[in-house]
Amino acid sequence: DTAVSQTPKYLVTQMGNDKSIKCEQNLGHDTMYWYKQDSKKFLKIMFSYNNKELIINETVPNRFSPKSPDKAHLNLHINSLELGDSAVYFCASSQGLWGGNYGYTFGSGTRLTVV
Amino acid sequence: DAKTTQPTSMDCAEGRAANLPCNHSTISGNEYVYWYRQIHSQGPQYIIHGLKNNETNEMASLIITEDRKSSTLILPHATLRDTAVYYCIVRVATGTGGFKTIFGAGTRLFVKA
Repeated sequence: DTAVSQTPKYLVTQMGNDKSIKCEQNLGHDTMYWYKQDSKKFLKIMFSYNNKELIINETVPNRFSPKSPDKAHLNLHINSLELGDSAVYFCASSQGLWGGNYGYTFGSGTRLTVV
Repeated sequence: DAKTTQPTSMDCAEGRAANLPCNHSTISGNEYVYWYRQIHSQGPQYIIHGLKNNETNEMASLIITEDRKSSTLILPHATLRDTAVYYCIVRVATGTGGFKTIFGAGTRLFVKA
């Protein structure tokens, strides 16, 4: 069983479109995150949710809207996609805030390409 | 900004130990050091973490200096599959009572046959 699963794995879309990426974890963790890895390979945190409550919002444009319907899911919706949004987006989870004492478990990533 | 500094890249021969250094001179007394790695096209994978004692698990060993200003991740018998970017991380306080994990550039380890 995949611990943290993201869908889709690849997403190619045109500028201006709206798209969503879904994330689910079956580890029973209470905190979930979205990270963005750009072309320079730096991983940057975007959002963190603990028990469905937003904890971290790292000055991400408000075109990005996370939604956590329950502790096991954290979806990312992106409006009006721009070329600069092209990146790999990683979902992660942890038991406890800020990675807890046992670190994060990451999904395999969603490669978003905006054309 | 990340609170750690690591060499940009390192090479290691297959079957030999890979020793990856990390400096974290501003680490606070109660903050852990975490290590992750990212194999090409995959999500980062947790390896190990420690506070002040040396730690070992099935993947690696972590040696932390007595002053806690640096640490070394040791892969005892590196294989080709250990080729990856290795991140040494110390969490950063957000100023609102929380922390965030900042990934720096990491060390790109090449294991060669």
